[in-house]
Amino acid sequence: EDKVVQSPLSLVVHEGDTVTLNCSYEVTNFRSLLWYKQEKKAPTFLFMLTSSGIEKKSGRLSSILDKKELSSILNITATQTGDSAIYLCASSRDNNDMRFGAGTRLTVKP
Amino acid sequence: NAGVTQTPKFRILKIGQSMTLQCAQDMNHNYMYWYRQDPGMGLKLIYYSVGAGITDKGEVPNGYNVSRSTTEDFPLRLELAAPSQTSVYFCASRVVSGANVLTFGAGSRLTVL
Repeated sequence: EDKVVQSPLSLVVHEGDTVTLNCSYEVTNFRSLLWYKQEKKAPTFLFMLTSSGIEKKSGRLSSILDKKELSSILNITATQTGDSAIYLCASSRDNNDMRFGAGTRLTVKP
Repeated sequence: NAGVTQTPKFRILKIGQSMTLQCAQDMNHNYMYWYRQDPGMGLKLIYYSVGAGITDKGEVPNGYNVSRSTTEDFPLRLELAAPSQTSVYFCASRVVSGANVLTFGAGSRLTVL
């Protein structure tokens, strides 16, 4: 059965810390892996990864895909309280459905 | 350009009642999805559609039905509501080709008592 697993499920850090969130996938006909940030309402898009080893960056956030290990990481450097959210990863397959992991709840304390 | 619009935002149902969650998008997206999110959990795929007249089951389809008569609309029907269907429901859409980035609606919070 296809699955997307995220770890840790919950993380508490202090402002300025660097965090690494993990996502592993077992998906047939894998097409891409996506990261989303969810604060109070709907998820908002962060990154889409299709090629192994190519880092995507946006400000203090970066992500990379490892197709050999069937995994991806999301790094956040110099965390701020505004980074507190649930971070979701999702995989898309050739049949076009998209499956999400359970999410990592990040709490950044002042 | 409204994006993805979901109605209602909130609803309380009694066990055994039925209702339809509405979802409409004005971006001419072919692909549309329904997810549910239980407290503290990720998103579970209920149903999805790759175009008008075509629907497919996701991970948790039991207790739900969908239809896709137009490109714009993708309603989710709950028959015989049960407390286990208490959740936040998100509708999402994306374009056919290229990036698989979903555009989400604001969500519909459903409580079944």
